Amino acid sequence: DAGVTQSPTHLIKTRGQQVTLRCSPKSGHDTVSWYQQALGQGPQFIFQYYEEEERQRGNFPDRFSGHQFPNYSSELNVNALLLGDSALYLCASSLLSSGANVLTFGAGSRLTVL
Amino acid sequence: AQSVAQPEDQVNVAEGNPLTVKCTYSVSGNPYLFWYVQYPNRGLQFLLKYITGDNLVKGSYGFEAEFNKSQTSFHLKKPSALVSDSALYFCAVRKRGGSQGNLIFGKGTKLSVKP
Repeated sequence: DAGVTQSPTHLIKTRGQQVTLRCSPKSGHDTVSWYQQALGQGPQFIFQYYEEEERQRGNFPDRFSGHQFPNYSSELNVNALLLGDSALYLCASSLLSSGANVLTFGAGSRLTVL
Repeated sequence: AQSVAQPEDQVNVAEGNPLTVKCTYSVSGNPYLFWYVQYPNRGLQFLLKYITGDNLVKGSYGFEAEFNKSQTSFHLKKPSALVSDSALYFCAVRKRGGSQGNLIFGKGTKLSVKP
């Protein structure tokens, strides 16, 4: 049973460009959350998607947007990239009804903005 | 503001010795508490959680954590460290009643276990 899969694993962009990161949740999970982990820092919550809608959002600008598809997979889009957007982007999935409160994380997509 | 503090950037332990990785939090109410571990080029892996009940929580790989409400702490412990325990450890909290996916993480503590 595959866990959370993310793509691409690494990518390099230049300032001003746009990027799309993809996430497939663990089988049986219906909720996807995205985190940004800057170098030397803990992950920071970007937003959570459930039933194809953004349910909660962290302190990130509107340049960060997302989408969840009917098969529960998700995309994170970042527009007008800044150097400070360089980070590891983590996707985490869970089953909303389980009450277990445990997130399953993917290995992440490492974004470098030059 | 809600926050999680991991006061040590790095903890060094000899193999076979006990280890403690410290965590304190500032979150209103009675939050859920978690420990995750991150190995190089890997995602975060769940170790253990405190929801309610016994203050001593046992988790994966022989780790345990002690919840102390008065000190708002949730320290991670292991009686006998292994070299393979060397990794980056994150403490996280979630406000009770908050979004399931919205965890507040500490900045992490690098654990180094030497043979």
